[in-house]
Amino acid sequence: GQQVMQIPQYQHVQEGEDFTTYCNSSTTLSNIQWYKQRPGGHPVFLIQLVKSGEVKKQKRLTFQFGEAKKNSSLHITATQTTDVGTYFCAGDGDYKLSFGAGTTVTVRA
Amino acid sequence: SQTIHQWPATLVQPVGSPLSLECTVEGTSNPNLYWYRQAAGRGLQLLFYSVGIGQISSEVPQNLSASRPQDRQFILSSKKLLLSDSGFYLCAWREETGDGYTFGSGTRLTVV
Repeated sequence: GQQVMQIPQYQHVQEGEDFTTYCNSSTTLSNIQWYKQRPGGHPVFLIQLVKSGEVKKQKRLTFQFGEAKKNSSLHITATQTTDVGTYFCAGDGDYKLSFGAGTTVTVRA
Repeated sequence: SQTIHQWPATLVQPVGSPLSLECTVEGTSNPNLYWYRQAAGRGLQLLFYSVGIGQISSEVPQNLSASRPQDRQFILSSKKLLLSDSGFYLCAWREETGDGYTFGSGTRLTVV
C-alpha cells in the first residue's frame, strides 16, 4: 500500500530561523495534504497540493509538490513560537489518507 | 456550517472493560468518516473508515470494531480493552475524496 515517509522526525529551531520538512512517497500521489497539530490538540488541515510542481504559500509557510508527485516539502521562514507543533503530510488514495509520521517542531526563543 | 463532535475528551478504563466512543457530524450529508489512533508522540494510524451507512472498512485487524448506524454517526467499540489500546483516538470527516479532513477534538484513552 501507499507509504509516506517524513523527515526529520524532530526539528529544533532558533526563533527567527528557517527550516524545511520533507515528505516522500513510495508511489505517485494524486494529491498531498499538510496538517498541523499543536501540542495537546488535534490535526488541522493546512493545504492541499494537486498539480505537479505546484507551489503554494501561506504567509511564512511555503508548500511544494514535486514534479513526479512523489515528494513534497514545507518550508517555514522566520520561525515563531506559534509554529510549535507537529506537521504531518498525507498522501491521498482511495477514500483515505496515508499520513507520514510527522515532524515535531520546537522553537528556542 | 459543518461541525464534528467527539466525546468524551478523556477516558480511563480498566483492562477487560468495554469501550464506546461516539462521533457525530453536523451540517453535511453522506460524509466519509474515519477513526484514527495516535500513540503518544507518534503518527496517525487509520483504524476504520466508512463511505456510507453500514459500510465499514477495517485497516488494521485488532481489538476494535466500528459501526455507522446513521449517516452522520460513527462509533468505535471494543468488547474487552487491552493495555495496548491506550492512545489518542481521533474521528475525522470529509465530504468526498480529495477534500481535506476535519478532525474532532479527540478522546484520550488510558487503559489501566
